Amino acid sequence: AQKVTQAQTEISVVEKEDVTLDCVYETRDTTYYLFWYKQPPSGELVFLIRRNSFDEQNEISGRYSWNFQKSTSSFNFTITASQVVDSAVYFCALSETNTGNQFYFGTGTSLTVIP
Amino acid sequence: DAGVIQSPRHEVTEMGQEVTLRCKPISGHNSLFWYRQTMMRGLELLIYFNNNVPIDDSGMPEDRFSAKMPNASFSTLKIQPSEPRDSAVYFCASSLEEGIFLSTDTQYFGPGTRLTVL
Repeated sequence: AQKVTQAQTEISVVEKEDVTLDCVYETRDTTYYLFWYKQPPSGELVFLIRRNSFDEQNEISGRYSWNFQKSTSSFNFTITASQVVDSAVYFCALSETNTGNQFYFGTGTSLTVIP
Repeated sequence: DAGVIQSPRHEVTEMGQEVTLRCKPISGHNSLFWYRQTMMRGLELLIYFNNNVPIDDSGMPEDRFSAKMPNASFSTLKIQPSEPRDSAVYFCASSLEEGIFLSTDTQYFGPGTRLTVL
C-alpha cells in the first residue's frame, strides 16, 4: 500500500486562482514528520515545509498554506492567487521514526499555472 | 554564501564502471542527505548523515552503493559496479538539525548530478 498518496497527478489552473494539492499518508507511528517539496521545470528541488505529528496548527507562509489533519491523515497544500512561477511538480513526503527512520515520497502532483 | 555544491553535474559512464558523486554541504550544517530521482521509482531518500555519522542507510538500494562523509564539508556516493538502472538524478541536501532524526530545519538542495550508465 502507498504510504503517501498524491491522487492528483496533474492540475492546471489559471493565474490568480487558488489551488489545493492533496496529500494523504498512512502510518502507525505516533511520531512522524510530513514534508512538501517543489521541483520546478529547471529540475532543482526546493524544500518547502516540515511538520511533526504533534503540531496540527496550520501553517501559512506568504501565498502558501498547509492544512494538517491527523483525523483524516492528510497534509494538504494550498497556493493562494497562483502565479506562473508556481508551475512545478510538488512532492509530499512522510518520515517515520518509531522503527528507525523510513522516508516515503508521494508520486508528485504536476501543477501548471496558465497565464 | 555558497549553496550545496555537487560534482560532477553530468556523468556518463559505461556499465561496470565505478562512479563517484561528490557533495559539499553548506558550511555549518550538520546533516547531509542523498536522494535519487528516477522516472520509474520517483524520489527516494538513500541515506543521511548527522555530524558525519550515517544515521539511516535503509534507502540505499544494494551493496553496490556506498556513501561516506569523512568530514563535515565533504561526502561521496559511490556506485561500484554501475548498472544502467542506476541512471538517475542524484541530489544532495544539507541542513542544520537539532537531533539525529530528520528534523525541523530547511533542507537546502544542490543542483543534482545527472548520471547516465550505458
